[in-house]
Amino acid sequence: NAGVTQTPKFRILKIGQSMTLQCTQDMNHNYMYWYRQDPGMGLKLIYYSVGAGITDKGEVPNGYNVSRSTTEDFPLRLELAAPSQTSVYFCASRIGTNYEQYFGPGTRLTVT
Amino acid sequence: KQEVTQIPAALSVPEGENLVLNCSFTDSAIYNLQWFRQDPGKGLTSLLLIQSSQREQTSGRLNASLDKSSGRSTLYIAASQPGDSATYLCAGRGSNDYKLSFGAGTTVTVRA
Repeated sequence: NAGVTQTPKFRILKIGQSMTLQCTQDMNHNYMYWYRQDPGMGLKLIYYSVGAGITDKGEVPNGYNVSRSTTEDFPLRLELAAPSQTSVYFCASRIGTNYEQYFGPGTRLTVT
Repeated sequence: KQEVTQIPAALSVPEGENLVLNCSFTDSAIYNLQWFRQDPGKGLTSLLLIQSSQREQTSGRLNASLDKSSGRSTLYIAASQPGDSATYLCAGRGSNDYKLSFGAGTTVTVRA
């Protein structure tokens, strides 16, 4: 199993541009999550999904959108990028019967 | 809302010393607590998950305890090694909560 994979690893965006961060897991996990991590801070939940076709907002959803058309994929869309979205983004997943979350390697995003 | 605090933010110890990492949470109705390790520029690796019905979990040199009444969890790492140098994060989930609340982490340096 590759586990949770994320692409790209790094990206620099200009203010106002849009992009999609990709997340895929091959463990057949039904729960998937998107977090952001700012320097010296804990992770904040952006969006989560309990299964294909079902998504919901986390603590900091403004400026982001998600979709979950398959069990494996959970892309995060940034519309009109702003400097405040400069952060490291992590995708995570877990199976419904076990609360242990598995994380991807992260995407480091800079908006200038 | 679950608030999670980790003090100190950084810790430096000589090789061979036992490490004690602290995690405090505000909601005693915690459902489970998870400890993670994060290496620089990398994702999070799950170390231990403690359910609310458990008082501790052990894996090799690692032992994590959970005291709901005092709102504390402690991660012990025995006989520390330079390879244990990393940031350690704890995250708690409330019983009626869909998400993990993360602490900001403790960055550990083990000096050879």
